[in-house]
Amino acid sequence: EPEVTQTPSHQVTQMGQEVILRCVPISNHLYFYWYRQILGQKVEFLVSFYNNEISEKSEIFDDQFSVERPDGSNFTLKIRSTKLEDSAMYFCASCDSGGPTDTQYFGPGTRLTVL
Amino acid sequence: DAKTTQPNSMESNEEEPVHLPCNHSTISGTDYIHWYRQLPSQGPEYVIHGLTSNVNNRMASLAIAEDRKSSTLILHRATLRDAAVYYCILLNSGGYQKVTFGTGTKLQVIP
Repeated sequence: EPEVTQTPSHQVTQMGQEVILRCVPISNHLYFYWYRQILGQKVEFLVSFYNNEISEKSEIFDDQFSVERPDGSNFTLKIRSTKLEDSAMYFCASCDSGGPTDTQYFGPGTRLTVL
Repeated sequence: DAKTTQPNSMESNEEEPVHLPCNHSTISGTDYIHWYRQLPSQGPEYVIHGLTSNVNNRMASLAIAEDRKSSTLILHRATLRDAAVYYCILLNSGGYQKVTFGTGTKLQVIP
């Protein structure tokens, strides 16, 4: 069965450094998402991406965050200057049509630790 | 977004059926009821969805009340692998289907 993959599985960085989290969505999917989950808390929506542009973003997704689909297969989340509170699991997801009957497929996540 | 209410936690014995309830009294006519689950240390995964009629798939069944104000996810024979947090979520035609997760029901399966 096709799956969403994410790399790295764990990223450790110093506060203030830039990080790029990478995702390979399912190949024929058109809608892409990033979510995050701080340890012990809910999964929170960050951003959705369709047709090479952001379709919706949450208030968490401020100017420090950006997303890109550089080559038609990868989907990346960049955090420009990491803060301690960015430490979380980051999940990428993709779906086919984006409609209310569609299934969203999540990756296994990247654990980001900011020291 | 219409809100859902779920119990914080439930327990089940292995090999027994499990009924996970969800209340969504403010559901609109175009809201689909989705269930996702999150196994420990994994990303969420889709379980099932429905609109008005009961639904079955290889993972579970979804029973939807006639007035649609509540639904029940049914796992027919719980296994240890079913221990997870189960989320009941409403999705409609707007918003590029972002999934808004609540706190869900943490299911513990007892061997």
